[in-house]
Amino acid sequence: GAGVSQSPRYKVAKRGQDVALRCDPISGHVSLFWYQQALGQGPEFLTYFQNEAQLDKSGLPSDRFFAERPEGSVSTLKIQRTQQEDSAVYLCASSLGWGQGSTNEKLFFGSGTQLSVL
Amino acid sequence: GESVGLHLPTLSVQEGDNSIINCAYSNSASDYFIWYKQESGKGPQFIIDIRSNMDKRQGQRVTVLLNKTVKHLSLQIAATQPGDSAVYFCAVLQGGPGTYKYIFGTGTRLKVLA
Repeated sequence: GAGVSQSPRYKVAKRGQDVALRCDPISGHVSLFWYQQALGQGPEFLTYFQNEAQLDKSGLPSDRFFAERPEGSVSTLKIQRTQQEDSAVYLCASSLGWGQGSTNEKLFFGSGTQLSVL
Repeated sequence: GESVGLHLPTLSVQEGDNSIINCAYSNSASDYFIWYKQESGKGPQFIIDIRSNMDKRQGQRVTVLLNKTVKHLSLQIAATQPGDSAVYFCAVLQGGPGTYKYIFGTGTRLKVLA
């Protein structure tokens, strides 16, 4: 597609419910990132994929958070047993490049999924 | 690790004036930087980028300046327009063995006064 697509746009979950957020990156982009953005804050890194390999998951806040990108394109961020503190906008981003030194490191974001946990 | 900060949380400018938004970073090895614009309810939008082998880069009405000595970069917007009202973030690429991520500052909200 023309840009990074995320769905759903909004998600309301009851505390304890599991949710799954989807990201369709720009076609051909090697790198895919998930970020969490709290209200009034900058995006915080969650995890990074290079093709299907999850190379960095150091930002995932707990083992309730799980991300996958099985075929190196679409990615899903899953949050189990949601808590109120999980309420935030979840942003997906992709880039053609795959690391320092590559020449295509421009990072493009989707519109995000706004998650509200009641 | 990298930390990124901004000097002002909110900047108000008159329409037609120039705007300057600042950003400080901590890792002297950082070599790639991006400025993003985020409007309410939208994802961050790429504005302009710069590598550490450059001091200045210009786009359409925007200029990014990089001072590696003091680890500071700025975004200059010429002839600020109402459509420029948004939150602006700088992002710094942090790479290394097993990691490749962008670290974001908290953002500066630009308000354009008519």
